[in-house]
Amino acid sequence: EVQLVESGGGLVQPGGSLRLSCAASGFTFSSYDMHWVRQATGKGLEWVSAIGTAGDTYYPGSVKGRFTISRENAKNSLYLQMNSLRAGDTAVYYCARGDSSGWYWGQGTLVTVSS
Amino acid sequence: SYELTQPPSVSVSPGQTARITCSADALPKQYAYWYQQKPGQAPVLVIYKDSERPSGIPERFSGSSSGTTVTLTISGVQAEDEADYYCQSADSSGTYFWVFGGGTKLTVL
Repeated sequence: EVQLVESGGGLVQPGGSLRLSCAASGFTFSSYDMHWVRQATGKGLEWVSAIGTAGDTYYPGSVKGRFTISRENAKNSLYLQMNSLRAGDTAVYYCARGDSSGWYWGQGTLVTVSS
Repeated sequence: SYELTQPPSVSVSPGQTARITCSADALPKQYAYWYQQKPGQAPVLVIYKDSERPSGIPERFSGSSSGTTVTLTISGVQAEDEADYYCQSADSSGTYFWVFGGGTKLTVL
């Protein structure tokens, strides 16, 4: 059974940093592109970052230069390093496995940026 | 920037057919995907590559594409289908970028 379990969320002050983790199981992690997607309370989904099987990384303009996605295939783990956090980054962050047959999502971890 | 446009809400009675649209100029060039999200839960894929249905998704869910619009159709809507539905696609301009529609709240009356 495919499982994605996010962790590392919490309360952080504006300007602070946080590192999210996603533990994957039930599939060959190294063979899939992986993504982070966020959702502010009551709002829609926003793609945050992606990492390919070769380690190539991609970001939208809203987080480029502040967020860094990485993966550790030996540990079946995905990470998101978030720096210079702002109130607007407050959201549930989901990790997702992606391929041409669609994305499979974890349950998410809540990040709250507030003083 | 690339945007996918969905109606904010759709309402149907049980047993009727619900149609949720998603529009963008680039949709003829890229596949669309549909996700169902119930309150407090993660999104779940219900349609991929415009019209393919994943295993485990009921047959009442179907997808279609015509020009710059893709449509999610739920035939014989059931109360359990009440949820938010999001379309998803990729930017076709050469930039690696994924985008989601704003979401449609399906209400079963």
